[in-house]
Amino acid sequence: AQSVTQLGSHVSVSEGALVLLRCNYSSSVPPYLFWYVQYPNQGLQLLLKYTTGATLVKGINGFEAEFKKSETSFHLTKPSAHMSDAAEYFCAVSSPLSGNTPLVFGKGTRLSVIA
Amino acid sequence: GAVVSQHPSWVICKSGTSVKIECRSLDFQATTMFWYRQFPKQSLMLMATSNEGSKATYEQGVEKDKFLINHASLTLSTLTVTSAHPEDSSFYICSARDQVAGGYNEQFFGPGTRLTVL
Repeated sequence: AQSVTQLGSHVSVSEGALVLLRCNYSSSVPPYLFWYVQYPNQGLQLLLKYTTGATLVKGINGFEAEFKKSETSFHLTKPSAHMSDAAEYFCAVSSPLSGNTPLVFGKGTRLSVIA
Repeated sequence: GAVVSQHPSWVICKSGTSVKIECRSLDFQATTMFWYRQFPKQSLMLMATSNEGSKATYEQGVEKDKFLINHASLTLSTLTVTSAHPEDSSFYICSARDQVAGGYNEQFFGPGTRLTVL
């Protein structure tokens, strides 16, 4: 079974500081990995995904993540936090072996940005 | 990108009544749809996988007689919460998979439905 672990349920950074949200996965095969953002009372918005190819993935709003197989990690980063980045972030994993395998989500990390 | 809609976006009902939530894929056909449930400040938990024209597959611990799922067409799946009780109050999110032959089948999410049972 696949799973993801997000380290830190709450991360607080100052505006303009580096954002680092951690995600480690467990999978018997190289997985597909995703980061989603959720604003209060809204659905999920895809930030970025890794399926195959380049391990450094760039997403929307200046976010990027790097797939590191040796560390089983897919950490999300952004060089400079903005107030609008305050939200809940979810890491998710899916298996490439079956087209009908649903996404499995981590518990989420709430990002606060301090002015 | 592909768009998934949900209706209603929020609903308040009395205990004992049934509530139907619709999930539609607006610009693509989805043979597979998923229903998730999210409690406040928690992650999304998969409730069931719905395939067009067949019975839904429920996750362990999810009562299939309480959460009725129908996927009658390639663009519509419905979740009916029967005899709702306050503990059923939650944020329900549907997701639809865009089938790409030979490629990755991305999962697109609806905006969610907030259910409050009084």
